[in-house]
Amino acid sequence: EVQLLESGGGFIQPGGSLRLSCVASGFTFNSHAMSWVRQAPGKGLEWVSSVSHSDVYTYYADSVKGRFTISRDNSKNTVFLEMNSLRAEDTALYYCARDPHYYERNSYFRGPSFFDYWGQGTLVTVSS
Amino acid sequence: DIQLTQSPSTLSASVGDRVTITCRASQSVSDWLAWYQQKPGKAPQLLIYKTSSLESAVPSRFSGSGSGAEFTLTISTLQPDDFATYYCQQYNTFSTFGQGTKLEI
Repeated sequence: EVQLLESGGGFIQPGGSLRLSCVASGFTFNSHAMSWVRQAPGKGLEWVSSVSHSDVYTYYADSVKGRFTISRDNSKNTVFLEMNSLRAEDTALYYCARDPHYYERNSYFRGPSFFDYWGQGTLVTVSS
Repeated sequence: DIQLTQSPSTLSASVGDRVTITCRASQSVSDWLAWYQQKPGKAPQLLIYKTSSLESAVPSRFSGSGSGAEFTLTISTLQPDDFATYYCQQYNTFSTFGQGTKLEI
């Protein structure tokens, strides 16, 4: 059974930093790209960032580019989101999500895709 | 950036109705479009990908169509479990979600 478990959220003051983690199980982690999607309270979904299966390629929404960094540790089945210079508008539930495509080691990665599995999210609140 | 606009934002319907939700893109996304259902307090669930491909275990009353910059999600016969919020997502150029359509009784 595929499972994604996020952690690392919390209450942080504007300008602060947080590191989110998502531990995956139930599938061959190093063959799937992974992404973060967020949802502000009472609002819609916003794609944040994606990382290729090999950790070579990363993509970011304009709203977080230069402040957030996505990475992964395939030996620990974990994807991370390092968030710096946090703003009130970053307050949201952050979901980890899986790209369903199976990539071989040297496969071409075309970029962010749709998502077939999602975690339950970790809440980030940025406020003074 | 590619913007997605869903209409309507809210849709009132009854069990047994046929409903259609539209998603319009600010430029062509080819057929790289997905649909999700989200219920309160839950993570989104994938319904359809690549415009019209039904995700495994999703009931056949859900269908998708369109191409280029205009897409639709149709629920043929509404069931009580279908009352939720629906989002479209393009993944032609990076990724963007529509603002959502709340389907209510």
